[in-house]
Amino acid sequence: GAGVSQSPSNKVTEKGKDVELRCDPISGHTALYWYRQRLGQGLEFLIYFQGNSAPDKSGLPSDRFSAERTGESVSTLTIQRTQQEDSAVYLCASSSLFGNTIYFGEGSWLTVV
Amino acid sequence: GENVEQHPSTLSVQEGDSAVIKCTYSDSASNYFPWYKQELGKGPQLIIDIRSNVGEKKDQRIAVTLNKTAKHFSLHITETQPEDSAVYFCAAVIYQAGTALIFGKGTTLSVSS
Repeated sequence: GAGVSQSPSNKVTEKGKDVELRCDPISGHTALYWYRQRLGQGLEFLIYFQGNSAPDKSGLPSDRFSAERTGESVSTLTIQRTQQEDSAVYLCASSSLFGNTIYFGEGSWLTVV
Repeated sequence: GENVEQHPSTLSVQEGDSAVIKCTYSDSASNYFPWYKQELGKGPQLIIDIRSNVGEKKDQRIAVTLNKTAKHFSLHITETQPEDSAVYFCAAVIYQAGTALIFGKGTTLSVSS
């Protein structure tokens, strides 16, 4: 597609439920990133995929968070047993090669009630 | 790992004035420093970047300077306009090392007319 596409754009879920957030990177981009942005805060690195290499999961805040990516296409970020502190915008980004221009999607706004 | 500090957190200027945002980084191996602009409800967009082999880069009203010795880089916006109002993020990464961008906490710029 023309840009990074994320879905859903907005999600309201009850505390304790699982949620899945989807990211479609720009076609041909080998690198894919997930960031979390709490209201009025900066971008917190979560996980990074690069081609077929093992992902860098060093930013995942707890074992309730996981992400998968099939080849060089779609990625899914899963949050299990959601908590109110998980409320944030989850931003996905992709790039064509190490460190080249990174393009962000519009984000998925998650609200846990 | 890399740590990026950004100042100020908020900046208010009059239309036509200049605005300067400063960032410092901790990892001397970092060699790629992009700046992103984020408007309300949207994903961050790249506005300018600089690599460690140059000390300054300019694009119309925006410029970035880099001091590798001091490990700091700055964004300069001249002749500010109301549409420059947004949150600005700096970031640092080791280009082609297969690592993710680490962002500063952001600067909210308000340009009043």
